[in-house]
Amino acid sequence: ETGVTQTPRHLVMGMTNKKSLKCEQHLGHNAMYWYKQSAKKPLELMFVYNFKEQTENNSVPSRFSPECPNSSHLFLHLHTLQPEDSALYLCASSPSGRSSNYGYTFGSGTRLTVV
Amino acid sequence: DAKTTQPTSMDCAEGRAANLPCNHSTISGNEYVYWYRQIHSQGPQYIIHGLKNNETNEMASLIITEDRKSSTLILPHATLRDTAVYYCIVRDKYNFNKFYFGSGTKLNVKP
Repeated sequence: ETGVTQTPRHLVMGMTNKKSLKCEQHLGHNAMYWYKQSAKKPLELMFVYNFKEQTENNSVPSRFSPECPNSSHLFLHLHTLQPEDSALYLCASSPSGRSSNYGYTFGSGTRLTVV
Repeated sequence: DAKTTQPTSMDCAEGRAANLPCNHSTISGNEYVYWYRQIHSQGPQYIIHGLKNNETNEMASLIITEDRKSSTLILPHATLRDTAVYYCIVRDKYNFNKFYFGSGTKLNVKP
């Protein structure tokens, strides 16, 4: 366990379903991130939150809706997804601040399949 | 962002040292070099990072050239469990909250 917990580990959903991915960390970090990793592609940064405020949206389609109710929890709400959205969704956290010394701690990811 | 260039794949014999190179010729003065690895279908795992000096921890050593344009990650005694994709990343100086992952190097450790 890395200290960043993602649930569920696997999710199969239809294109008309609504589902949510959950990420939780108790590392005392104030920045949280969503990344997407499609098959045989590099990780793509989707969203960044600092102190519960969204500071980065990397041109993500609106069918992905993030929510950060507090610094320990991050959600990704999914609705009307497409089969090409099938991927490994990874959550990460880090201390927030301008020091270049901080790395990320990643969760194990949610493997999403859209059918 | 300073881009990084890594070989697509490398092989290493079990028990031998694995030396993974990375080029980052456009790195700027205050940018750190980070190394992560990703074992199949898991989240990336932090390995080591450095600025100018060589660094060593329980997992690996990081050698950064004097001009900082390239670096090498060394796994001193590779095991089969070290088979993974290894990412060399330069930390964005102006957007300190972003890590950009490239394609990485797939290290295959063979018995």
